[in-house]
Amino acid sequence: GAGVSQSPSNKVTEKGKDVELRCDPISGHTALYWYRQRLGQGLEFLIYFQGNSAPDKSGLPSDRFSAERTGESVSTLTIQRTQQEDSAVYLCASSPSSGGSHEQFFGPGTRLTVL
Amino acid sequence: GDSVTQMEGPVTLSEEAFLTINCTYTATGYPSLFWYVQYPGEGLQLLLKATKADDKGSNKGFEATYRKETTSFHLEKGSVQVSDSAVYFCALRDTGGFKTIFGAGTRLFVKA
Repeated sequence: GAGVSQSPSNKVTEKGKDVELRCDPISGHTALYWYRQRLGQGLEFLIYFQGNSAPDKSGLPSDRFSAERTGESVSTLTIQRTQQEDSAVYLCASSPSSGGSHEQFFGPGTRLTVL
Repeated sequence: GDSVTQMEGPVTLSEEAFLTINCTYTATGYPSLFWYVQYPGEGLQLLLKATKADDKGSNKGFEATYRKETTSFHLEKGSVQVSDSAVYFCALRDTGGFKTIFGAGTRLFVKA
């Protein structure tokens, strides 16, 4: 079956512009996560959605970052007024539920470059 | 807070060598532990997992044992192949929780 998909795969933008990143989770997965992976570093948690519950936004680094998810489908991560330090790979993952032993299925990521 | 520490890379080995990548964790409660792998040009994928103390996760010749007494989950493989070259991430997730904490990743290069 189809895995997690993300678009665009690459995005180059100028400092100060807004960008929108999209994630299509695996159908039926109730949990959705966004992570940021800076070059040569580990994954940094950004935000988590579980069904229709209020999202956990505790990992968002600033108020320039926001994310939305409609029900249990597509999610968008928006970065306003991009800065060079926002350059990274943004990864989306989905999971059948939020239970502790469930693995996360990752998308290929969106590589964001802010000039 | 919860954390994961894994050995720094890169690790460079010759084909058929023995591999160990150390991972230790700090957590309250009884987390589930995972190893994820990221092959060049691909997304992260689960390699193996263990959900309770003394469990051994295994896949593709890799294995790791959940050691609560040493708070460790070291990844091992008896004979690595060139195709094992990748970045390996150790991770934990609290039981009933949702947030997965990842280590910084260890890059493995295997030479023919």
